[in-house]
Formats: sequence, C-alpha cells, structure tokens
Amino acid sequence: GQQVMQIPQYQHVQEGEDFTTYCNSSTTLSNIQWYKQRPGGHPVFLIQLVKSGEVKKQKRLTFQFGEAKKNSSLHITATQTTDVGTYFCAAISSGSARQLTFGSGTQLTVLP
Amino acid sequence: DSGVTQTPKHLITATGQRVTLRCSPRSGDLSVYWYQQSLDQGLQFLIQYYNGEERAKGNILERFSAQQFPDLHSELNLSSLELGDSALYFCASSAQGQPYEQYFGPGTRLTVT
Repeated sequence: GQQVMQIPQYQHVQEGEDFTTYCNSSTTLSNIQWYKQRPGGHPVFLIQLVKSGEVKKQKRLTFQFGEAKKNSSLHITATQTTDVGTYFCAAISSGSARQLTFGSGTQLTVLP
Repeated sequence: DSGVTQTPKHLITATGQRVTLRCSPRSGDLSVYWYQQSLDQGLQFLIQYYNGEERAKGNILERFSAQQFPDLHSELNLSSLELGDSALYFCASSAQGQPYEQYFGPGTRLTVT
C-alpha cells in the first residue's frame, strides 16, 4: 500500500527558532492534510492542501504542497512552547483506494 | 472539543478477553474511522464506515471487527486480546464518504494485562 515518509522523527528547538517537518511519497497524492497532536491529546486537523504548488499560511505556520504533488512541508516560524506536540501529515493517494494514510509524525519539543 | 465522543476513556482487561469500544460521530457526519496508536507510533488506520456500510479496510486484524448502527454511532470489537493490542484507539468522523478533514475523538486507552 501507499507509504508516506515523514522526517524528522524528533526535533528539539529553542523557543524562537524555526521548525520544519517534511512529508514525502513515492506516488502522486490526491491531496495532503496536516494534523497536530498535543501530548496526551488527540489529533486535530490543521489544514488540507489540494493543488500542485499550493502554499497556505496560518499565522506562524506555513504549509506547502510540492509541484509534483509527492511532497509537502510544514514550517513554523519563531516557535513557542504552545507549538509542542506531534505533527502528522496524512495523504490520500490518487488511486482508487482513497484511504487516508498517516505519516509517522514529527515530535516537536520547544525548550523555553 | 471535536464533537466526537468515545467511551470508555480507559479500559484495563486481561489477555484472551473481549472488549467493545464505542464512538459517536459529530452531529451530521456520516463517516466513522477507527485508528490504533501504539506507544510512540503513528496512527494506523483500521476501518471506515459510511452511513452504516463498510467503506474501507486497513490493517485490521481478524480478531477485530466493527459496525456502524442506524443512529451512526460505531462500535469496535476486539476479541482474544493480546498484550500487543494495548494502545490508544481513536475514532474520527467526517462529513463525507471520502476522507475529508477528520475530527478525532479523545480516544480509548486499552491496557491488556
């Protein structure tokens, strides 16, 4: 089945530093979603990207979908302690099996 | 609060036993998804129901089964439990049959001893 690779697995940053997590697929994706899971919490939907080369911003968060629709990134500018959590990408293949496949997640720790 | 409810919050049971996890989707959502999240692991898709019918199947063991009832709530049945089944089980719902943005419940933490 489809696999979505997400890197890095862990990231520690000092508060105020930037953070980026990447999601890659060997197959063309129909769209990609990003979720955030706080420690002890449940995944919360952040955004969905559909178009090739799409860029969306939510305050300090910038989401990009690659031109070939095989990769995506989430960039956080000037991290804050409230950004702590695990960020997951979730992709839907362009094939007939329209399941949502989650990446393994990037666990972000922000040091004060 | 996502609007998705799951019960129970915690469940401790012994190997070989059978448990049922319950999920009520957001009002108006027709699709329900079940995921398993083991410690430090990602989200493994188990199964999806849409308006009472099975829509997609992921890595769900034969010992596990699910159903969605006419009132759209769903139950995940886990039988012949093994230690390795200990995990967080999340239910999510979405409005459509396709996997649009999903709203997750708080999860049920299952511990098999």
